[in-house]
Amino acid sequence: GENVEQHPSTLSVQEGDSAVIKCTYSDSASNYFPWYKQELGKRPQLIIDIRSNVGEKKDQRIAVTLNKTAKHFSLHITETQPEDSAVYFCAASIRSGGGADGLTFGKGTHLIIQP
Amino acid sequence: DTAVSQTPKYLVTQMGNDKSIKCEQNLGHDTMYWYKQDSKKFLKIMFSYNNKELIINETVPNRFSPKSPDKAHLNLHINSLELGDSAVYFCASSHAGTSSLRAFGPGTRLTVT
Repeated sequence: GENVEQHPSTLSVQEGDSAVIKCTYSDSASNYFPWYKQELGKRPQLIIDIRSNVGEKKDQRIAVTLNKTAKHFSLHITETQPEDSAVYFCAASIRSGGGADGLTFGKGTHLIIQP
Repeated sequence: DTAVSQTPKYLVTQMGNDKSIKCEQNLGHDTMYWYKQDSKKFLKIMFSYNNKELIINETVPNRFSPKSPDKAHLNLHINSLELGDSAVYFCASSHAGTSSLRAFGPGTRLTVT
């Protein structure tokens, strides 16, 4: 089955600096890579996703890059703000035309924004 | 209010008891899931249902039995609860094979004493 590795487990950055979280996956058939943000005591919420036919996607201060050859993808947050502090999860799955696709999650990165 | 909802939000029970967690979504999604998040925050899929049919059944003890009466509901029944079952259980839903986002419920924090 799919295996997703995520690094680092904890990341502390100064407010205003950039943060980068990296993930690798094992199954070359995976073609869908979402990122979730989970604040303390809350549910995971999708913040951005990318498909294997796209190399990069950006949404305001958040961007995700995908390298299919190397089987890794990264989350980039620029101009970090205190409200960016949370646990971030990467995930991978094979999205098919029918049936259900089970996401395999990385173990999460605790992002701490230092004021 | 469109969302994925779960009940109860907190559940404290003793070892050996049987308990159920309910999940409902009104997003019109055809696929529903149960995830377990342990104390180390690791999110792991347990079950996936598509149109009331079990699609994914990861290696979970058979004390856990999901039931989907219709596309909008996926309940989780747990028999003979054990200390290791303590975790937060998240229900989620999505539309299989499309680009719609996967929405998670608020979670049920289960504590087994």
